[in-house]
Parts: sequence; C-alpha cells; structure tokens
Amino acid sequence: QKEVEQNSGPLSVPEGAIASLNCTYSDRGSQSFFWYRQYSGKSPELIMFIYSNGDKEDGRFTAQLNKASQYVSLLIRDSQPSDSATYLCAVMRGSARQLTFGSGTQLTVLP
Amino acid sequence: SQTIHQWPATLVQPVGSPLSLECTVEGTSNPNLYWYRQAAGRGLQLLFYSVGIGQISSEVPQNLSASRPQDRQFILSSKKLLLSDSGFYLCAWSVTSLSYEQYFGPGTRLTVT
Repeated sequence: QKEVEQNSGPLSVPEGAIASLNCTYSDRGSQSFFWYRQYSGKSPELIMFIYSNGDKEDGRFTAQLNKASQYVSLLIRDSQPSDSATYLCAVMRGSARQLTFGSGTQLTVLP
Repeated sequence: SQTIHQWPATLVQPVGSPLSLECTVEGTSNPNLYWYRQAAGRGLQLLFYSVGIGQISSEVPQNLSASRPQDRQFILSSKKLLLSDSGFYLCAWSVTSLSYEQYFGPGTRLTVT
C-alpha cells in the first residue's frame, strides 16, 4: 500500500461545478496534511493545509480531514478553467517535517 | 516576504558529466530546506533535507549529494550524471511554525542526454 494515494484521474468537471479531490494515507499517526496545485511545467503551489478533523475553508477551497478514516479531501467550488491543473496531496512526517506526496490528480474544468 | 531562488532554470547535460544545482532562500532564518525530484509523469520524491548548516539527511540512495554551506543556501550535486537523473528538481523551504508548511522554488528542469 502506498503511503499517500490519490486517484490519478483525469477528472473533468464543467465550469461552475464543484470539483472533489480525494486522498488517503496509511500512517495513522500523521498529523498535518497539505494540498498543492501544480500547473504543467511549473512548481507546486501551496493551496491549503489542515491538521484538525473537520472542514477548513479558504475562499472557493475547502479541505476536509477525517483522521479516523485516514482520508483528506479538497473541494473546489465554482470551478473555473484556471483551476485546471494537477492537485497533489501531501502528508507530513518525521522530525524535519518531511512531506510524502501522492501521485496527484489531474483536474480539467471545461468551459 | 520570503523568496526562494533556483538556478539554472533548465539544463541539458551529457551522461557522466558533473552537476551542481543551487537554491537560496531570502527573508527567513534557519529554514528547513528540501530537495525533491519529479520524474516525467511521476510524483514528487524527496531526495534530501536539511535542518541546519552542514546537516544533510538523505531519503533515497543515489548518485546525488547535497550540501548546505550557508544558512539559506542548499546545493544539489553529482559527480557523474546518469540518464535516470533527468527530471524536474525542486527546492523547498518550510516555516518553523506549528504548521511547517513548505513552499517550493521555481525548479530546474534537467535533461541528461
């Protein structure tokens, strides 16, 4: 079992819809979770982080964490074509706060 | 505000040649620093991390090495490149706060021919 798993996609949603991206992790002791967005050919950009069970909202983005189910998700409301990118889930571990990344989910928002 | 620089942006090197990639961070002190590699169509793999000057930890065995000669400088090196070293090399730094979120530099795209 991979440490961090994401559906590779591609995931397509129409403009204005809600995009739902999912991630599961294997280490039950993991505490902090991150979502990055990566446009083709560019470096990852931090969107949100979450470390408490429940929802965390920032503009059109909502991160959801369920530690009992070892599940973290990212919802994008009112999706825009500019949201088309690969979304990376990352889990923090270790004394140096290293990140383990999932393989990413490719999202396409159709105009 | 904090800024992270990487250079060069792109690099084409023959097999067996040496490599030196540099990363510098501005606007923060004593950051944790990280080197990642992203091979074509694959996820991010952590290569090295450093919690202070001269302190380097390796995540995977390979022909690469890293050094941190100054607080905000992180260098990735190789004596002899392999074809499998091709990829997108990313440097990141993390805030030393409760969340320790990491921020990435613009990256170096390396092609070994």
